[in-house]
Amino acid sequence: KAGVTQTPRYLIKTRGQQVTLSCSPISGHRSVSWYQQTPGQGLQFLFEYFSETQRNKGNFPGRFSGRQFSNSRSEMNVSTLELGDSALYLCASSWGQGGSNEQFFGPGTRLTVL
Amino acid sequence: AQSVTQLDSQVPVFEEAPVELRCNYSSSVSVYLFWYVQYPNQGLQLLLKYLSGSTLVKGINGFEAEFNKSQTSFHLRKPSVHISDTAEYFCAASSGYALNFGKGTSLLVTP
Repeated sequence: KAGVTQTPRYLIKTRGQQVTLSCSPISGHRSVSWYQQTPGQGLQFLFEYFSETQRNKGNFPGRFSGRQFSNSRSEMNVSTLELGDSALYLCASSWGQGGSNEQFFGPGTRLTVL
Repeated sequence: AQSVTQLDSQVPVFEEAPVELRCNYSSSVSVYLFWYVQYPNQGLQLLLKYLSGSTLVKGINGFEAEFNKSQTSFHLRKPSVHISDTAEYFCAASSGYALNFGKGTSLLVTP
């Protein structure tokens, strides 16, 4: 069974631009979560989608948004990029909602904002 | 939300020596605990998890962890490490939907 895939793997943008990252979960998984990883803040939860609905959201500004499609694939969008948005963005999928469900992580998208 | 503290940011150890990576979590009515490993330029891989039941949890690659409710700890151990265990290790807790991660412990195994 294929793992979680994320595209692109690397991205370079300039301040003020917007970016869209894509995540394809493991087949059969219906929950997709996004995390931001930076050296200073570590791993922080962005949001979770289940059945095309955002179920939970972390403490991030409205510039960060996402969506989930009927095939469970998910995208996240960051508008008006800031230097501080440079990070590794990780997507994780799980079969169901709830903290007991094992989350499987993709390799991440490395975003650099210049 | 759960908070997780990893007590050591870096742990250097010689090959074939035992290692313990420490993790404490804030108490909660119910909590699920996880250890993940991250190799350079990769995502996170689950080593082991505690959901309920036996407090000693065995995972992949020879790792194990012990859930201690009274001390709110979930320390990761391995009796004999290999060079290939060099990586970043994250402890995480969940009582809801999201995983709350510790800051990570960098394990450096040298010959």
